[in-house]
Amino acid sequence: DAGVTQSPTHLIKTRGQQVTLRCSPKSGHDTVSWYQQALGQGPQFIFQYYEEEERQRGNFPDRFSGHQFPNYSSELNVNALLLGDSALYLCASSLGSSGRNYGYTFGSGTRLTVV
Amino acid sequence: RKEVEQDPGPFNVPEGATVAFNCTYSNSASQSFFWYRQDCRKEPKLLMSVYSSGNEDGRFTAQLNRASQYISLLIRDSKLSDSATYLCVAAGEYGNKLVFGAGTILRVKS
Repeated sequence: DAGVTQSPTHLIKTRGQQVTLRCSPKSGHDTVSWYQQALGQGPQFIFQYYEEEERQRGNFPDRFSGHQFPNYSSELNVNALLLGDSALYLCASSLGSSGRNYGYTFGSGTRLTVV
Repeated sequence: RKEVEQDPGPFNVPEGATVAFNCTYSNSASQSFFWYRQDCRKEPKLLMSVYSSGNEDGRFTAQLNRASQYISLLIRDSKLSDSATYLCVAAGEYGNKLVFGAGTILRVKS
């Protein structure tokens, strides 16, 4: 039973560029949430996708956008990269938009470095 | 003020010690609470869920005090392998947004 798969594992981009990160949820899960974790901080909620729609969004600018596909996989796009976007980006999947009953499973993350 | 606050530590304890972490949350609408463990440069992994008055799992006990809006984690008989960052988490009103504290670092030494 595959867990959450994220790609790529590491990425280096230049300021101003655009990046796309990918996530395949755990088998049986239909909801994907994205989190940003800066060094020394806890993960911060970016947004959640359920039924191919953005259901809730955290305090992130419009440069951060996403998409969910019919097979439940998801992409996170970040435009006009800033140095401050350097972080570990985590994808979490769950069954249903509320993870309270079945919990969330996190992927191992994509470490993005902006130079 | 951060929505979930916890002491960053580090807590340096010897093997076999008992250690307790506290965490406070500000959103009274939060319905579910969790402790996650995160090893260096790895993803967070669920350690325990705390849904009502508390939860115990082996050497780990989590308590919830809704009136004071804090939760705690007690680790008994600490092992070297318990060394990690412990993240306190509150789920939003509808359970679809996890709010993490910044984490408490635990170092267990022989």
